[in-house]
Amino acid sequence: GNSVTQMEGPVTLSEEAFLTINCTYTASGYPSLFWYVQYPGEGLQLLLKATKADDKGSNKGFEATYRKETTSFHLEKGSVQVSDSAVYFCALMTTDSWGKFQFGAGTQVVVTP
Amino acid sequence: EPEVTQTPSHQVTQMGQEVILRCVPISNHLYFYWYRQILGQKVEFLVSFYNNEISEKSEIFDDQFSVERPDGSNFTLKIRSTKLEDSAMYFCASSEAPGGAQETQYFGPGTRLLVL
Repeated sequence: GNSVTQMEGPVTLSEEAFLTINCTYTASGYPSLFWYVQYPGEGLQLLLKATKADDKGSNKGFEATYRKETTSFHLEKGSVQVSDSAVYFCALMTTDSWGKFQFGAGTQVVVTP
Repeated sequence: EPEVTQTPSHQVTQMGQEVILRCVPISNHLYFYWYRQILGQKVEFLVSFYNNEISEKSEIFDDQFSVERPDGSNFTLKIRSTKLEDSAMYFCASSEAPGGAQETQYFGPGTRLLVL
């Protein structure tokens, strides 16, 4: 079956540090890949997505590239801010299950001043 | 910016009791979803709903669960006889169209359910 594995947190960083959150997936066919972010007290918000191999999603300084050869979709940001403290979820959706996300467990990121 | 809202934010109930979790999706959205996250585990899909019918449900969504759109604005999840293992964060989501890759699902902040 389909699954998403992401690195465990919490990840604690200083402001302006480089952030990487690893995400790998197992899926049949060609899934679309997503990163969602949940700020404290809020719902999950779409951060970025990629729908085919080698696509790069980007938003708010975050980037992730769909790597089919390594079945990965790692999230990166070059210089984090305190406001990036949140829980980040990697997710996939396949063409045979539109509307049904398969999420990873989430990675909490804590950025300190 | 329009948002999905959920009430209550926290719910504590006794095992065997019925609970209803409420969601107000974004007003022009037609597709609705429930997910849950047991503490420390993954966010899991429960059910999708369109045109007053369930479109898809997971194996978790057994007979004790039901969903309803009782009026033009609310979308509810009912758990008929709660069990300890139903304790989780429940997320509602909505989208304008079928959740293909080009459509974004908008999530609510969640209801944390604790069954004692």
